[in-house]
Amino acid sequence: DGGITQSPKYLFRKEGQNVTLSCEQNLNHDAMYWYRQDPGQGLRLIYYSQIVNDFQKGDIAEGYSVSREKKESFPLTVTSAQKNPTAFYLCASSGLPGQFFGPGTRLTVL
Amino acid sequence: EDQVTQSPEALRLQEGESSSLNCSYTVSGLRGLFWYRQDPGKGPEFLFTLYSAGEEKEKERLKATLTKKESFLHITAPKPEDSATYLCAVLLSYNTDKLIFGTGTRLQVFP
Repeated sequence: DGGITQSPKYLFRKEGQNVTLSCEQNLNHDAMYWYRQDPGQGLRLIYYSQIVNDFQKGDIAEGYSVSREKKESFPLTVTSAQKNPTAFYLCASSGLPGQFFGPGTRLTVL
Repeated sequence: EDQVTQSPEALRLQEGESSSLNCSYTVSGLRGLFWYRQDPGKGPEFLFTLYSAGEEKEKERLKATLTKKESFLHITAPKPEDSATYLCAVLLSYNTDKLIFGTGTRLQVFP
């Protein structure tokens, strides 16, 4: 059963902590993406990767980091430098006919 | 600046009452336009991709159309299970990997 998985579903972070969100896909897609969704705003692109060991910053990359060591995996780290990390984070991968999304991780800063 | 605008922000319909959602865009070059459905607390579910003006796609009670400046998502005889937020996004021609999203239309269908 092909798809995109994200874990955990809910994540709580204390001030000053780095946390890592997991994203795995078994769709054999080359391109993967991380978006952030806030109430009343459209999805905003954080980072994307078109191929293993390569990635590019999106519109709001500050305070985030990624890696792409395997085609199937694209983890996102939310660092302590991200001033307002509370949001819904969505991972996606791209293949015809479009971009497909995982179920999301809701991150809350305590 | 590339921009995608969806209207209305919210729409309440009686079951069976057909209507349309609008997605207008001002971009320097369009490669494709995507429609998604998103339920609360879940990731967007892919519905359609439209590539050129005049193109139409259908799925059950939904029909998407595209012109040079906007797209419509027509909902025919909606049911309560069609209640969701509908998102549109534009794929730019000069950047094959970047989608620009609208803020969505929140649809509620009452029995």
